[in-house]
Amino acid sequence: EAQVTQNPRYLITVTGKKLTVTCSQNMNHEYMSWYRQDPGLGLRQIYYSMNVEVTDKGDVPEGYKVSRKEKRNFPLILESPSPNQTSLYFCASSPRTSATDTQYFGPGTRLTVL
Amino acid sequence: LAKTTQPISMDSYEGQEVNITCSHNNIATNDYITWYQQFPSQGPRFIIQGYKTKVTNEVASLFIPADRKSSTLSLPRVSLSDTAVYYCLVGDRGTGFQKLVFGTGTRLLVSP
Repeated sequence: EAQVTQNPRYLITVTGKKLTVTCSQNMNHEYMSWYRQDPGLGLRQIYYSMNVEVTDKGDVPEGYKVSRKEKRNFPLILESPSPNQTSLYFCASSPRTSATDTQYFGPGTRLTVL
Repeated sequence: LAKTTQPISMDSYEGQEVNITCSHNNIATNDYITWYQQFPSQGPRFIIQGYKTKVTNEVASLFIPADRKSSTLSLPRVSLSDTAVYYCLVGDRGTGFQKLVFGTGTRLLVSP
């Protein structure tokens, strides 16, 4: 089944403890992206990647890192999480060559930083 | 990227047609218009995309006037399961869609 998977789905952590949220897609998509969603603010893009080893900042990149060593994986790294990074995170991928360039979203990761 | 403006919320009843309008006054020549649907605690899901005039698929229709400064998502005969947030996005398929900008969307509530 074609899908975008994220792990973990739920995470509670403490301030300063490094964490990684994994994202994987099995559709051979070139483009991948991370968003965070907060009440009243909609979805905001954190980072995106056009292809392997190519990443760029979105609108809210501060406090986050990403890497794209393989086409299928795009982990989101929080080196020193803070409470203001408590949010719902979505990973997405896109073929970039389709007629519609639609993005396929993962199920989300709900992160709480205490 | 062109900014979009949508109503914050809309109410409807089952079986009715729902039209959600999105304003994008600064849309560029190469920009396409895309609509996504999001259910609570799920990722957004692509509904429809268009450039001009009318586009229809099995889920919805998208109407775009000649000046392209607005667009209307039309959902025929809504059901309770259409209760969701609907986002209108505008961007260049060639370069702009890498940096999608989701607004706060329109929260549609369908009642029995």
